[in-house]
Amino acid sequence: DVKVTQSSRYLVKRTGEKVFLECVQDMDHENMFWYRQDPGLGLRLIYFSYDVKMKEKGDIPEGYSVSREKKERFSLILESASTNQTSMYLCASSLVLSGNTIYFGEGSWLTVV
Amino acid sequence: AQSVTQPDIHITVSEGASLELRCNYSYGATPYLFWYVQSPGQGLQLLLKYFSGDTLVQGIKGFEAEFKRSQSSFNLRKPSVHWSDAAEYFCAVGVVPGTYKYIFGTGTRLKVLA
Repeated sequence: DVKVTQSSRYLVKRTGEKVFLECVQDMDHENMFWYRQDPGLGLRLIYFSYDVKMKEKGDIPEGYSVSREKKERFSLILESASTNQTSMYLCASSLVLSGNTIYFGEGSWLTVV
Repeated sequence: AQSVTQPDIHITVSEGASLELRCNYSYGATPYLFWYVQSPGQGLQLLLKYFSGDTLVQGIKGFEAEFKRSQSSFNLRKPSVHWSDAAEYFCAVGVVPGTYKYIFGTGTRLKVLA
């Protein structure tokens, strides 16, 4: 089975802190994604990466950056956390073609106080 | 622009009753279609997917979905709901090669009454 692991399930951070959310997948998938999930808004794409060191902005990239130094690992970075970034963050991965299934991690709940 | 609409935000059914969750999409060609389920505090799990061929697709946990091109719909059904089916359900569209984009609906939260 595909495994997408988000190392931090629950985080509480202070406004202005730098936050790292880590994600690892074990199926050699080319694509990796970071989504943000908020009630009533569904899933919104922050960034995706289709290869090591390659990334593209999604629908809501402002306030976020990403890093993909190894194929299996995709990190989401909040340079200076703000309270409006309190949310559930979902990492996902898939094979290269867009019709392939996305596999999700269990999510990281981030609260910024 | 591509979009996915799940018109029902909340649905409540009694255990043992049938279920249909609606999904409509807007896209110029035949898309790749998915249904995911999310239990509270968890990530999304794939229920089923449609790429081509038979328009009635069987999935896990007794779910099925039917692709209707003329209605741009991909509704999810289950003949008899179990209390454990209470969760949030997301419909998603995979955009045809050229981008890597998947578009998700805003979800339907299912409540099951005992």
